[in-house]
Amino acid sequence: QSALTQPPSASGSPGQSVTISCTGTSNDVGGYGYVSWFQQHPGKVPKLIIYEVSKRPSGVPDRFSGSRSGNTASLTVSGLQAEDEADYYCSSYVGGNNPGYVFGTGTKVTVL
Amino acid sequence: EVQLVESGGGLVQPGGSLRLSCAASGFTFSNYAMNWVRQAPGKGPEWVSYISRTGESVYYADSVKGRFTISRDDAKNSLFLQMNSLRAEDTAVYYCARDSSGYVTGYWGQGTLVSVSS
Repeated sequence: QSALTQPPSASGSPGQSVTISCTGTSNDVGGYGYVSWFQQHPGKVPKLIIYEVSKRPSGVPDRFSGSRSGNTASLTVSGLQAEDEADYYCSSYVGGNNPGYVFGTGTKVTVL
Repeated sequence: EVQLVESGGGLVQPGGSLRLSCAASGFTFSNYAMNWVRQAPGKGPEWVSYISRTGESVYYADSVKGRFTISRDDAKNSLFLQMNSLRAEDTAVYYCARDSSGYVTGYWGQGTLVSVSS
């Protein structure tokens, strides 16, 4: 149950796009279609923005999109806005003898 | 409206015990599996434990296995986490979160703070 690997930081100017990677293994990200992404602002509870790799919960703008290739998932935020500045965490179902979930190391997105 | 309210956190000495509770409302609690997720100060979320709808299946993170026990009482719409042999590294805000067959959903409580220190 090792944490999924994310880059510590990413940044972009308003209106630009930023993509965050999330690397796991064939026992989590690569093995199941259950990758999700959470956005967390300081002092707030994490908010689900992507589930099952690329689905958006109701109310989440379509500026947020998810994808996966092999053992790496990605979150793209298009048309960056000031309110997108936050920490982002990926998460995946983990299979095998001790199933559960694992979160990523987190990426701080800065809007320049 | 889905509501999850955690309670039971506090300051405890290393080696001590605490029992967290999560009161659920706004949905049929017995229809959903549930999770505990924690977040240490300045760190990312860490999944702690899962319990199935029926309570027959329970899973734990390696970091808490053998020390923590998850349970539920559907009659009281409540989720519990019994935490024994607490360590400094267990210090975190603990959240209960609804499950959705493959992922932790966006329904989380506001959390309860557990501090382990002498």
